[in-house]
Amino acid sequence: DGGITQSPKYLFRKEGQNVTLSCEQNLNHDAMYWYRQDPGQGLRLIYYSQIVNDFQKGDIAEGYSVSREKKESFPLTVTSAQKNPTALYLCASIDDRENEQFFGPGTRLTVL
Amino acid sequence: AQTVTQSQPEMSVQEAETVTLSCTYDTSESNYYLFWYKQPPSRQMILVIRQEAYKQQNATENRFSVNFQKAAKSFSLKISDSQLGDTAMYFCAFILDGQNFVFGPGTRLSVLP
Repeated sequence: DGGITQSPKYLFRKEGQNVTLSCEQNLNHDAMYWYRQDPGQGLRLIYYSQIVNDFQKGDIAEGYSVSREKKESFPLTVTSAQKNPTALYLCASIDDRENEQFFGPGTRLTVL
Repeated sequence: AQTVTQSQPEMSVQEAETVTLSCTYDTSESNYYLFWYKQPPSRQMILVIRQEAYKQQNATENRFSVNFQKAAKSFSLKISDSQLGDTAMYFCAFILDGQNFVFGPGTRLSVLP
């Protein structure tokens, strides 16, 4: 089945640690996105990538980093510079033909 | 700036009744796509319905339909015969030039038995 997978589902981080969230898609989509969602809030764009080896900052990129070495993969690193990282992180990709965005199930990150 | 406003943070509806969620947006572009996404407690974002701005006919998808008023920049979602499984956060969104989505803050809908 085609789709987007994110791992882990739950992640706990100690203060001062960097953690990496995985996002993989087998939909053959060029564009991929990372969003942050705080409880009861909407989605805020962290980073996006239109093509392999290229990515752009979104509205809240500070304290985050990404890479796009393969079309299928778009990992997000939450660095120690992100002071309040507790949130749900959603990965998505876009079907260019239908302009429809597909989402992964999310990773819930909690700072201990 | 491109923005999406959902003026109803929370709504409730009795099972089998009809409910309408409102959405307004702001863009100077003429060609774009509009969407309603549903996020149930499982957190998985699911596409409910989509509308292409150049089409005047309102989109429908089973019990879900939209009222698209382009001049007013309004895109409301009507849910008919509400079911308990419709309980979720609903997000209105649009996409410009096939790149970035702009999401509204969401409306939390509770369907009551």
